[in-house]
Amino acid sequence: GDSVTQMEGPVTLSEEACLTINCTYTATGYPSLFWYVQYPGEGLQLLLKATKADDKGSNKGFEATYRKETTSFHLEKGSVQVSDSAVYFCALRPSSGSARQLTFGSGTQLTVLP
Amino acid sequence: KAGVTQTPRYLIKTRGQQVTLSCSPISGHRSVSWYQQTPGQGLQFLFEYFSETQRNKGNFPGRFSGRQFSNSRSEMNVSTLELGDSALYLCASSPGTGGTYDPGFFGQGTRLTVV
Repeated sequence: GDSVTQMEGPVTLSEEACLTINCTYTATGYPSLFWYVQYPGEGLQLLLKATKADDKGSNKGFEATYRKETTSFHLEKGSVQVSDSAVYFCALRPSSGSARQLTFGSGTQLTVLP
Repeated sequence: KAGVTQTPRYLIKTRGQQVTLSCSPISGHRSVSWYQQTPGQGLQFLFEYFSETQRNKGNFPGRFSGRQFSNSRSEMNVSTLELGDSALYLCASSPGTGGTYDPGFFGQGTRLTVV
């Protein structure tokens, strides 16, 4: 079945450091790929998504590129801020079939220190 | 506009009891999906409703059920509670039309503790 593997956390960075959170997936065909963010005390919210190979999703300074050849969708940001401290979830949705639910990775806790 | 609202935020129940959780989606959204979040299993899909019809169901026992009302509000019910049902239950909404199935926002969740 479909699965998503994220890098283990927690990740602790200093403000203005570069961030990469690795995400790889297993799925047939061309699933849609997502990054969700969960800030402390809040529900998950969609950060960015990509629906086909080589697409780049971006939002709030974060980027992720859909790499079909490496089945990856790594999240990157060039300069993190304290306000980026949150849990980040990678997810996929199948491109076809009746099962259109999201499959999530285990989440990566990011803490940014001032 | 108001986000996804889940009630109650916290619940403590005894094994064998049943529980009902409620979710009000973002105004205008017609699709509601439910997820269970636990430290061991992470986020797992329970079911999705669109226009009062269950469109998709995850791999959970029949003790887990749900429904959606004409105003798009949704409830999920868990009967004969087990200790392993202790989890954070999350609801998400999406427009559900024009291919927009992907939930943009989740509620804060209902934390269920079974003792």
